[in-house]
Amino acid sequence: DAGITQSPRHKVTETGTPVTLRCHQTENHRYMYWYRQDPGHGLRLIHYSYGVKDTDKGEVSDGYSVSRSKTEDFLLTLESATSSQTSVYFCAISESRATDTQYFGPGTRLTVL
Amino acid sequence: EDQVTQSPEALRLQEGESSSLNCSYTVSGLRGLFWYRQDPGKGPEFLFTLYSAGEEKEKERLKATLTKKESFLHITAPKPEDSATYLCAALRSNDYKLSFGAGTTVTVRA
Repeated sequence: DAGITQSPRHKVTETGTPVTLRCHQTENHRYMYWYRQDPGHGLRLIHYSYGVKDTDKGEVSDGYSVSRSKTEDFLLTLESATSSQTSVYFCAISESRATDTQYFGPGTRLTVL
Repeated sequence: EDQVTQSPEALRLQEGESSSLNCSYTVSGLRGLFWYRQDPGKGPEFLFTLYSAGEEKEKERLKATLTKKESFLHITAPKPEDSATYLCAALRSNDYKLSFGAGTTVTVRA
C-alpha cells in the first residue's frame, strides 16, 4: 500500500464551523490531490498540488482552500462548512500528472449538520 | 464535455459466473484509462492502466481491455472476495484531468 494517511478518519461538525483535513504521505511524490466522493457521482477533484506552496483548483473548488508547506503534507480547509460539503474526502498522490497512477488514501468521512 | 459512464450500476453474480463491466468514455484525447477497485469504507485501490486501443492487462481473475470508445473489465470465475465497487477513470492528454465514472458494484454470492 502506498504510504498515505488521512486524519481525522471521521468528523461530525456543524454548519458554519471551519474544518481542516490532513493528508500525509511517506512516498515523496510530487503531486497530491483532494477528491470528494458522493453517491451517484464519480470522484471529483477539489484541488491539487504540484509542489510545496504550488496548488491549483479542480472542478469543485468553491468553498475549499488548500495548503502545502511540506512535501509530505497537504491540508484541505473548509472555511465555513455547509451541509452540501457532507461527503467522503480522499487524498491521492502521484509522481507525475502525465501518466502516473494516482494512489489513494483511506478517506475521511465528513458530516456537516 | 468529458464523460465517463459505467454500466451496469450493480451486478450480482454467482460464484464462478463470469461477466463483464463496461466503461464508456468521451474524452478529448485519451492519455490513459485506469481501473480501480474500492471496498466499502476504503480508498480506491489501483488495478490497471491501459494506454492504447487493443491493449489488454490481466491480474488473477480480472482482465481489462480498451477500445477507442470503451473499456471492459472481465471477471472470470469470480469468487466472493471479488465483491467490490470497480471504478474506471479517463486521463485527458491536454491538461491531464482525470475523470471518474460512478462505478459498478459487484456482489459475488457463494
